[in-house]
Formats: sequence, structure tokens, C-alpha cells
Amino acid sequence: SQTIHQWPATLVQPVGSPLSLECTVEGTSNPNLYWYRQAAGRGLQLLFYSVGIGQISSEVPQNLSASRPQDRQFILSSKKLLLSDSGFYLCAWSVLTSRGYTFGSGTRLTVV
Amino acid sequence: GQQLNQSPQSMFIQEGEDVSMNCTSSSIFNTWLWYKQDPGEGPVLLIALYKAGELTSNGRLTAQFGITRKDSFLNISASIPSDVGIYFCAGLVIQGAQKLVFGQGTRLTINP
Repeated sequence: SQTIHQWPATLVQPVGSPLSLECTVEGTSNPNLYWYRQAAGRGLQLLFYSVGIGQISSEVPQNLSASRPQDRQFILSSKKLLLSDSGFYLCAWSVLTSRGYTFGSGTRLTVV
Repeated sequence: GQQLNQSPQSMFIQEGEDVSMNCTSSSIFNTWLWYKQDPGEGPVLLIALYKAGELTSNGRLTAQFGITRKDSFLNISASIPSDVGIYFCAGLVIQGAQKLVFGQGTRLTINP
């Protein structure tokens, strides 16, 4: 069966420090991968999506970047965190998007 | 970009009551999905709808795909404490890659 792993679960980082969040998927090949951010426990904002290795599309201009070094690995990064980068970050995957996404359990990032 | 208007934003109900929430859009979607998010977790798919007019049930949950393809509703009958959470509607967009557009969520609180 397919599973998605996202870590760490929580992270507290100082302003100006780098960030690396990792997401891996098991049990499927060639998934579409997504990074979302959720602020204040409400709406989901799509940050990046990827349809293949090395293929990254950015939805909104921001202080973050994404990479997909392997088929089932998706990484969210920042060189220097801002206070406004705090939030709940969710990774998701799909093979057939019309069947919906499967989300990871999320990373709660607090920038202090 | 396309947006989904989800209402109500919050609901405070008594245990045992029925719940109704809906999403509307100015654009047509070919697929509607409903997700539920428990506190501190990623959203989980509840129901997927693929045809205009389709009415689908999942236990105490019932969702319908509007005839105009611009709206959908979710009903929960006889609410129980574990129904607490945030409910999101999502519509499928095909712009290059397939993506889901999410509503802003309905936060459901249940008083025992």
C-alpha cells in the first residue's frame, strides 16, 4: 500500500536560519507531489508541485524553494527563514489527481 | 486564479444535530472532493464526486455535485464528537498539470 512520510513533525527555527523539510512516498511510482502551507489552521495554499524528477512548478513567489532529487522524494527548503514562513506545511501526492491527494501528517514550523 | 467560496466558515452545534456546508465557484469543475482535517494532522479524503448531479454517501456523510458543476454541498447527519475538525471542499483544475483548488474550510465545533 502507498504511504507518505513527512518529517520533522515540529520545528522551531530562528529567523535567518536555513530550512529543509523532507517528504517521501512509498508504494507508488511517478507520483505528482505537492507542498502546501496552512496558516492559522485554515486555508491550504499550494506552494509547489512536481510532475517528475527535477520538474518543479512554483505557485506563489516566496522565500522558499523545492526540489525533487528522486522520483518519490520532495524537499522544501529555504536559505534564510522569515517570521512569515511560520505555518503548517503539508506534503501530498497523487497518481491520478481526479482521485484526490493523499496528505502527509504535516510539519509545524515556528520561526522565532 | 480559480477560487472556491466555502461556507459557513465556522459552525457550533450540539451533538446529534445535522450539519450542512457548501462550496461555490464562478468556474466549472469536473471533479469535486471533500476532505476533513483533524487538529495537527493532514486532511483526509472523505468523498469524491465525478458527475454533475451525483449524490454520494459515506456513512453519515452525504455530498452532492451540483448540476451546474459550480457547486457542491456536504451534509453530516447525527453529528458525534469525532466529527470535530475542519472540512475542506476541493475542485480539480487542469492547467498544465492537474491540481486541486481548495476552499477556505469550515471549522466544526460540537458541544456535547
